[in-house]
Amino acid sequence: EVQLVQSGEEVKKPGESLKISCKGSGYSFTNYWIGWVRQMPGKGLEWMGIIYPGDSDTRYSPSVQGQVTISADKSISTAYLQWNSLKASDTAMYYCARHAGSGWYNWFDPWGQGTLVTVSS
Amino acid sequence: EIVLTQSPGTLSLSPGERASLSCRASQSVSSSYLAWYQQKPGQAPRLLIYGASSRATGIPDRFSGSGSGTDFTLTINRLEPEDFAVYYCQQYGSSPITFGQGTRLEIK
Repeated sequence: EVQLVQSGEEVKKPGESLKISCKGSGYSFTNYWIGWVRQMPGKGLEWMGIIYPGDSDTRYSPSVQGQVTISADKSISTAYLQWNSLKASDTAMYYCARHAGSGWYNWFDPWGQGTLVTVSS
Repeated sequence: EIVLTQSPGTLSLSPGERASLSCRASQSVSSSYLAWYQQKPGQAPRLLIYGASSRATGIPDRFSGSGSGTDFTLTINRLEPEDFAVYYCQQYGSSPITFGQGTRLEIK
């Protein structure tokens, strides 16, 4: 079974750093793009960026470029989303999701269960 | 960037009725690279439709997708109680990938 399992809920203060994870299993991790999607409280889905673990090719949405870093460690089949200095506006649920096929033009399936990040002083 | 506009924002219907959800793109979506997702409270989104009209594995045939170019529709026939949720369209034909703002389907 193809599965993405994300790290647990985080509560942080503004200015702190954070790295959340998404571990893939049941498939060849290096052959599929994995993306990150943000959902702010009560709001819709926002695509943040995506990485191809095979060669670490990474693309970002213009709205988050420079604000976060997406990376992957293929030795442990895990993708990451990282902040160097959190803001209150980073409070959201973050989902990882895998491209359904191995090419670029693909929909997301499956999705991780989500990681809730709360940033508050 | 392709902007996807979903309408209506909220749709109030009764079980057994048919729902028609619209997703309009600001420019043509390449090769009908459009997907629909369902999200229930406290859950991750679930894939319903890809390629504008292909049902994902395990999705009941009361769900159907249609459209091309800039206009797409998700139709749900004979609404069941479990269909009341938020629905999002997504285009994956050009970067950045974008989502619509969602349509909330609520019980009337």
